[in-house]
Amino acid sequence: EDQVTQSPEALRLQEGESSSLNCSYTVSGLRGLFWYRQDPGKGPEFLFTLYSAGEEKEKERLKATLTKKESFLHITAPKPEDSATYLCAVHSHGSSNTGKLIFGQGTTLQVKP
Amino acid sequence: KAGVTQTPRYLIKTRGQQVTLSCSPISGHRSVSWYQQTPGQGLQFLFEYFSETQRNKGNFPGRFSGRQFSNSRSEMNVSTLELGDSALYLCASSASPGQGSYEQYFGPGTRLTVT
Repeated sequence: EDQVTQSPEALRLQEGESSSLNCSYTVSGLRGLFWYRQDPGKGPEFLFTLYSAGEEKEKERLKATLTKKESFLHITAPKPEDSATYLCAVHSHGSSNTGKLIFGQGTTLQVKP
Repeated sequence: KAGVTQTPRYLIKTRGQQVTLSCSPISGHRSVSWYQQTPGQGLQFLFEYFSETQRNKGNFPGRFSGRQFSNSRSEMNVSTLELGDSALYLCASSASPGQGSYEQYFGPGTRLTVT
């Protein structure tokens, strides 16, 4: 059964204190791994797609990396506006060509000024 | 380009009633997926529609159903509401999952409260 686990569940950082969020996955063949940001009361906002081990994507203070078993979302010098819940999701061969994503439980990040 | 829109944004219903939620995907997107989000279970896949056909369904009871229209707009229906159906219902659209792009873009969600 496809499974996604995110850690830690919650993370508190001081402004400027860099850190990483982890997403471990077990899937029947990875078609894609996705990172989303979700603010309270809103829908998830798409950040990155990673397709193969070794791939990296960057956007402002965020950098996502992928290995065969996990993905990391590195946050460099975070600011209070980076506070949100970060969700990881996978699309596997088990979902064939349909749009079924399996989500982790998320990491809630709080950045204090 | 306009994003995914969902209506209504908030709903309060009573146990036993039924409810219909609506989703308009990004222009040109033909796939619409629905998810339920709760604090305890997180985001769970309900079903996906492409070209008016349901292509996949999550592990939810038959009280949850949906459909897609020829203009790609989609609706989901929940009959005989239970307290546990209280959740944020999210709709996501994508271009053409069958062609290797599985990126999904989410709407703001419909917050359903069952009393």
